[in-house]
Amino acid sequence: GESVGLHLPTLSVQEGDNSIINCAYSNSASDYFIWYKQESGKGPQFIIDIRSNMDKRQGQRVTVLLNKTVKHLSLQIAATQPGDSAVYFCAERGNFGNEKLTFGTGTRLTIIP
Amino acid sequence: GAGVSQSPSNKVTEKGKDVELRCDPISGHTALYWYRQRLGQGLEFLIYFQGNSAPDKSGLPSDRFSAERTGESVSTLTIQRTQQEDSAVYLCASSLGGTMNTEAFFGQGTRLTVV
Repeated sequence: GESVGLHLPTLSVQEGDNSIINCAYSNSASDYFIWYKQESGKGPQFIIDIRSNMDKRQGQRVTVLLNKTVKHLSLQIAATQPGDSAVYFCAERGNFGNEKLTFGTGTRLTIIP
Repeated sequence: GAGVSQSPSNKVTEKGKDVELRCDPISGHTALYWYRQRLGQGLEFLIYFQGNSAPDKSGLPSDRFSAERTGESVSTLTIQRTQQEDSAVYLCASSLGGTMNTEAFFGQGTRLTVV
């Protein structure tokens, strides 16, 4: 859903450990999902995407899992590094008639050296 | 250019003045989005343009906010009679849009400060 007027939840992870960031999306008709990373003072950057006909997709050190039954999305980051410290947002996009990209609340990930 | 370009990068304005923010999307991208991000918070949807379709203005917070897009190119977001609560980073994004499920690319944003 819309992330209006909310303070970001935080997650701290020891360097080298794996992290999991969760997101609940709002629209059961959404058919495309994206994870973004936002570093301080910058615009969001694409990490990985997944379409609704899939339940898992892997990239380099990142995996996205999609559970359409409970409208849940997660981002797994393996072997975290200091450069992974950022705010992570999930986004959902509907199909015809609801094509705007809607962002979730966001999670601030801090990697502890 | 190679990416989404926004200008100005920073804008300080007096309360009550009007401001205009500009976004140059990636060439060929038919979809264009504006978002507002207050300090330490998430992205608040403002408006979405897709080709020649009527824009989705459902996120505009008040009638002081308006946006236009010239064809499938530059877009301007105008805020009239600015208030201190309008202080935020305004982010623009573009994507291939339509039936293409591809990611949206963001600009660096315009940081607006209303004093």
